[in-house]
Amino acid sequence: DVKVTQSSRYLVKRTGEKVFLECVQDMDHENMFWYRQDPGLGLRLIYFSYDVKMKEKGDIPEGYSVSREKKERFSLILESASTNQTSMYLCASGTGRAQETQYFGPGTRLLVL
Amino acid sequence: GENVEQHPSTLSVQEGDSAVIKCTYSDSASNYFPWYKQELGKRPQLIIDIRSNVGEKKDQRIAVTLNKTAKHFSLHITETQPEDSAVYFCAASAYFGNEKLTFGTGTRLTIIP
Repeated sequence: DVKVTQSSRYLVKRTGEKVFLECVQDMDHENMFWYRQDPGLGLRLIYFSYDVKMKEKGDIPEGYSVSREKKERFSLILESASTNQTSMYLCASGTGRAQETQYFGPGTRLLVL
Repeated sequence: GENVEQHPSTLSVQEGDSAVIKCTYSDSASNYFPWYKQELGKRPQLIIDIRSNVGEKKDQRIAVTLNKTAKHFSLHITETQPEDSAVYFCAASAYFGNEKLTFGTGTRLTIIP
């Protein structure tokens, strides 16, 4: 059974703080993704990675960076958190084969004050 | 890039009736169309998908139809039950080696007992 875990379910940070969100998957998946989910806007892709140390910008990368030093771990970094980054952040992983299922983590609800 | 529009944003149906959610996409190269279900407080999970070489796919009470000419696809749920209440997301992708999905904005389906 695929397991995708995220380091925190809830997080409260101050404007200007550096924030790290971590995601770990245990199925040796090639691909990993970070999305943010906002009401009325659906799931929007921030960054994705299809291999260790590889990253690609998604649709809304501004204000974010990522790190993938190990295959199982994909980190999302907010260099200087702002209030408009208050959101639900979802990590997902996929096998890397063509158009297979993405498996989501439980999400991190981030509040930036 | 790809743009996916989803309608309606909210839908209420009587238990036992059918529900239909519609999506349109913009990129004619898209050839994979999954649907994800997100129950309240839980992570999105794949419920059904369709590839462009078929026009319809069924799985018990759930079916998806695809019209490539018109660039639209739909989710049909028959004999709805209370456990069908959730947010449903459609998505589209064009395979180029790394499974990037573009999601719709979601439909909140409520089943009225």
